[in-house]
Amino acid sequence: DGGITQSPKYLFRKEGQNVTLSCEQNLNHDAMYWYRQDPGQGLRLIYYSQIVNDFQKGDIAEGYSVSREKKESFPLTVTSAQKNPTAFYLCASSIIARDNQPQHFGDGTRLSIL
Amino acid sequence: GDSVTQMEGPVTLSEEAFLTINCTYTATGYPSLFWYVQYPGEGLQLLLKATKADDKGSNKGFEATYRKETTSFHLEKGSVQVSDSAVYFCALSASGGSNYKLTFGKGTLLTVNP
Repeated sequence: DGGITQSPKYLFRKEGQNVTLSCEQNLNHDAMYWYRQDPGQGLRLIYYSQIVNDFQKGDIAEGYSVSREKKESFPLTVTSAQKNPTAFYLCASSIIARDNQPQHFGDGTRLSIL
Repeated sequence: GDSVTQMEGPVTLSEEAFLTINCTYTATGYPSLFWYVQYPGEGLQLLLKATKADDKGSNKGFEATYRKETTSFHLEKGSVQVSDSAVYFCALSASGGSNYKLTFGKGTLLTVNP
């Protein structure tokens, strides 16, 4: 079955450490997105990519980095500059980055600080 | 900027009760509107969508009508089941521009008791 796979499901980070969250999709979608979910705040966009080797900052990009070297992969790195990284991270994809195209979500990665 | 306001929860209903979750939005132009559902520990799943005024989205007994005059997209279901217990998110995708992000409401937790 086609879908979006995020790994790991749970991740722990030590202070000052960078960690990378994986997102892979086999839906042949062009556009991919990373969201952060905090309790009671809905979802906020971190980065998005409309095509391979191109990506744009979302609303809360500071302390995060991404790459898009392959169509199916969009890893997110949470750097040590992100001072409050504890959250639920969701990756999504859509056929193309158009306003009427629904986004399909993975099952998320929960990041916690040790 | 764009925003989505949905009724605060939690909402607790008995099985077979009628459900309404209110959602209003602020956006320029003609956004597309979505309802997503999130079950515990999972990502978001698209429940329904509407892309223009007076469109009605429907799925699994849930319905929502795009009302441009009241800038609303309220979610309704005539008879809820225990399995409908989840968090529901209203979202919009603004028309035009180069940023096709989804703007989410804060989510409404629904609990259905047998």
